Amino acid sequence: RKEVEQDPGPFNVPEGATVAFNCTYSNSASQSFFWYRQDCRKEPKLLMSVYSSGNEDGRFTAQLNRASQYISLLIRDSKLSDSATYLCVVNGDGASGTYKYIFGTGTRLKVLA
Amino acid sequence: DGGITQSPKYLFRKEGQNVTLSCEQNLNHDAMYWYRQDPGQGLRLIYYSQIVNDFQKGDIAEGYSVSREKKESFPLTVTSAQKNPTAFYLCASSATGGGLETQYFGPGTRLLVL
Repeated sequence: RKEVEQDPGPFNVPEGATVAFNCTYSNSASQSFFWYRQDCRKEPKLLMSVYSSGNEDGRFTAQLNRASQYISLLIRDSKLSDSATYLCVVNGDGASGTYKYIFGTGTRLKVLA
Repeated sequence: DGGITQSPKYLFRKEGQNVTLSCEQNLNHDAMYWYRQDPGQGLRLIYYSQIVNDFQKGDIAEGYSVSREKKESFPLTVTSAQKNPTAFYLCASSATGGGLETQYFGPGTRLLVL
């Protein structure tokens, strides 16, 4: 099982639609969770951190389900400009004083006019 | 403006040549990272540094080397031992190295082999 798994998509949705992505992670000890957005041939940019209580930023809502070990991203009222790849990032196990961030391969979203 | 800069944007390497990718940050972050991204794959960690004059190997360190002589700088050298260096290289930083803070990325360098 991969440490962080995402459906690669693409998710093709019309403008104005609501779309949701899930990301599963394997390490129950992970403590930090993030969603990044990556445009074609560009660097990843932080979309939002994911908190235990869930959090919302405008049209974007992130949720964490520790029991089932997944995080989700909900995008409401999709815009053409939301077309991008969405990366799920989870921190590693911190064993032996080390750590790392584990990146999913990303879910590609295309919003259609 | 605070941020992370990487140079060059594109880099061409000849067979047997070592090349160095630059990464500079003015965010006053302690931790810096180098990742490699190949098509259809997630970012893979090459090296990271939690503090000046210290760095650790990531998952795919073979064929790469780094230094961290200054807090703001973390250059990556791709040596001739790296047999498949064509990729998109991303430098990142975070306030500390605990794995809990947000990472911020530079614009990346695309390395191509001639």
